[in-house]
Amino acid sequence: QKEVEQNSGPLSVPEGAIASLNCTYSDRVSQSFFWYRQYSGKSPELIMSIYSNGDKEDGRFTAQLNKASQYVSLLIRDSQPSDSATYLCAVKGGNDYKLSFGAGTTVTVRA
Amino acid sequence: ETGVTQTPRHLVMGMTNKKSLKCEQHLGHNAMYWYKQSAKKPLELMFVYNFKEQTENNSVPSRFSPECPNSSHLFLHLHTLQPEDSALYLCASSQESGSGTQYFGPGTRLTVL
Repeated sequence: QKEVEQNSGPLSVPEGAIASLNCTYSDRVSQSFFWYRQYSGKSPELIMSIYSNGDKEDGRFTAQLNKASQYVSLLIRDSQPSDSATYLCAVKGGNDYKLSFGAGTTVTVRA
Repeated sequence: ETGVTQTPRHLVMGMTNKKSLKCEQHLGHNAMYWYKQSAKKPLELMFVYNFKEQTENNSVPSRFSPECPNSSHLFLHLHTLQPEDSALYLCASSQESGSGTQYFGPGTRLTVL
């Protein structure tokens, strides 16, 4: 069973600042990593995926992966109030159907 | 309808009732999933179907019974539930089983009295 750990937060950042979210996982053979965003009362939606060590940028979002240290992070630059949500880290191994989720980090962007 | 739809959106049931949750995906995907989301806990995978065949039953109690008549529809039949089963039940789909790119429905908020 893959374990995925995240700080529950809440992480409060001022508008325009960088929000930094971290995620660690226990299964060393995990291959694929995902960040989902879940607004209050809504369902999760995929915002980023990363498969190789290093950084991957998509607009204001940057995912960072370090397989040796077994962590993946998400940076949100120029944070906006619309970024206020819970961010779920998800990890998938190489050969099974399961996507293991962390409990999520709640981010609040103060205007 | 687009994406993944779920009905009902809210359900209140007694411990002796029988009810069913319905999920439909309009994305042409081959895999469908049931997840349970409880407050402050990670999403728990319950069942996986690939081409309407069950490929995963994640040690779910038998009071939850899934049904997948085709690749577009997924049901979760509920009977003799317990109060601790109260949660948000999410359906998801993906192009193929094992994909990390999953599309979620809006969920059914279930309350067991």
